[in-house]
Amino acid sequence: AQTVTQSQPEMSVQEAETVTLSCTYDTSESDYYLFWYKQPPSRQMILVIRQEAYKQQNATENRFSVNFQKAAKSFSLKISDSQLGDAAMYFCAYRRYYGGSQGNLIFGKGTKLSVKP
Amino acid sequence: EPEVTQTPSHQVTQMGQEVILRCVPISNHLYFYWYRQILGQKVEFLVSFYNNEISEKSEIFDDQFSVERPDGSNFTLKIRSTKLEDSAMYFCASRGDSLNTEAFFGQGTRLTVV
Repeated sequence: AQTVTQSQPEMSVQEAETVTLSCTYDTSESDYYLFWYKQPPSRQMILVIRQEAYKQQNATENRFSVNFQKAAKSFSLKISDSQLGDAAMYFCAYRRYYGGSQGNLIFGKGTKLSVKP
Repeated sequence: EPEVTQTPSHQVTQMGQEVILRCVPISNHLYFYWYRQILGQKVEFLVSFYNNEISEKSEIFDDQFSVERPDGSNFTLKIRSTKLEDSAMYFCASRGDSLNTEAFFGQGTRLTVV
């Protein structure tokens, strides 16, 4: 079974600085998807960024980028130029590639990010 | 922009009562999911639904739970006899018809069992 581990329960960053959130996962599959979701205090789950395992290039979305190390099964999220609105819980998630009618997400326990003004 | 809608946003129920949580997925999506998040814990998969039947369920999804898509637009989660430990945030999610799409989540229903 696949597992996702986030080893940092809490992180803090100064506004305008850069922070990296860690995620490792375990799987025997070679093709899969990895995601970072943001959960602000409203508790809505918002997709931040997605990475396909077959792509070597790291995904980027504006200030958000990932460092995907497939051999190490590591998938970290870097937030550049942190803003107050980035304060939230961040969840790393895994999904099988051939999800088909399944394709459910497996989540890590989350990292609570605080942004200091 | 299309979105997944869940109602109600907050429900309080007496232990032992039945509750139905409702979701309206994005209209052209084919795969539907329920997830649960107990306060302070991670998001856990409950069940997936495709082609009018359950395609996968977790060990959490026992006989007390059921899902249905009664009218082609709504997607409901029923808890037959609620327990205190069912108190959680319940998220509905839907996904499109290809492998290369992500799940879109609703805003969640906070269920409180007293």
